[in-house]
Amino acid sequence: AQKVTQTQTSISVMEKTTVTMDCVYETQDSSYFLFWYKQTASGEIVFLIRQDSYKKENATVGHYSLNFQKPKSSIGLIITATQIEDSAVYFCAMREFSSGSWQLIFGSGTQLTVMP
Amino acid sequence: ETAVFQTPNYHVTQVGNEVSFNCKQTLGHDTMYWYKQDSKKLLKIMFSYNNKQLIVNETVPRRFSPQSSDKAHLNLRIKSVEPEDSAVYLCASSSTRDTYAEQFFGPGTRLTVL
Repeated sequence: AQKVTQTQTSISVMEKTTVTMDCVYETQDSSYFLFWYKQTASGEIVFLIRQDSYKKENATVGHYSLNFQKPKSSIGLIITATQIEDSAVYFCAMREFSSGSWQLIFGSGTQLTVMP
Repeated sequence: ETAVFQTPNYHVTQVGNEVSFNCKQTLGHDTMYWYKQDSKKLLKIMFSYNNKQLIVNETVPRRFSPQSSDKAHLNLRIKSVEPEDSAVYLCASSSTRDTYAEQFFGPGTRLTVL
């Protein structure tokens, strides 16, 4: 079975700085997809960015980018120029095909606090 | 507006009662899910439902059952709630036609069992 691990429980940074959140994963699949989701204080979970395992280029969307290190089974999320509204819980996830259905396996989340 | 909608937002009940939560998606997706998020924010898949095929996480107690009238609706019924059922229940949907099968989430239903 696949596994996703986020070891950082919480991170605090100053506004306008860059932060990296770690995520490592385990899989037997040769091709896979990795995702990062954000859960705001209201509880809303939104998709941020994804990485295809067969792509060497790191994905970038707005001020989010990924540091994909396939040999290390690592997919870090980088947020540049952080803003107060980036304060949230960030989840790393991997897509798994199980029992005839695509499912997401989530990490335990990292609470990010951006301070003014 | 296309999204995933859940009702109610909150529900407080007593041990042993039956509860039912509703989920509707207007994204045209063919797969829907229920997740449980505990007080530590851990997200666990409970069910996925696609083309009338139900996939159940084997750790889910039998008192939980999903109910679907069509591919846009997947409700969750809990037959006799227990204190450990207190959590946020999140509904999501995705499309098997989408290469990435990204999931879109509803706002969640917070259940408190007294």
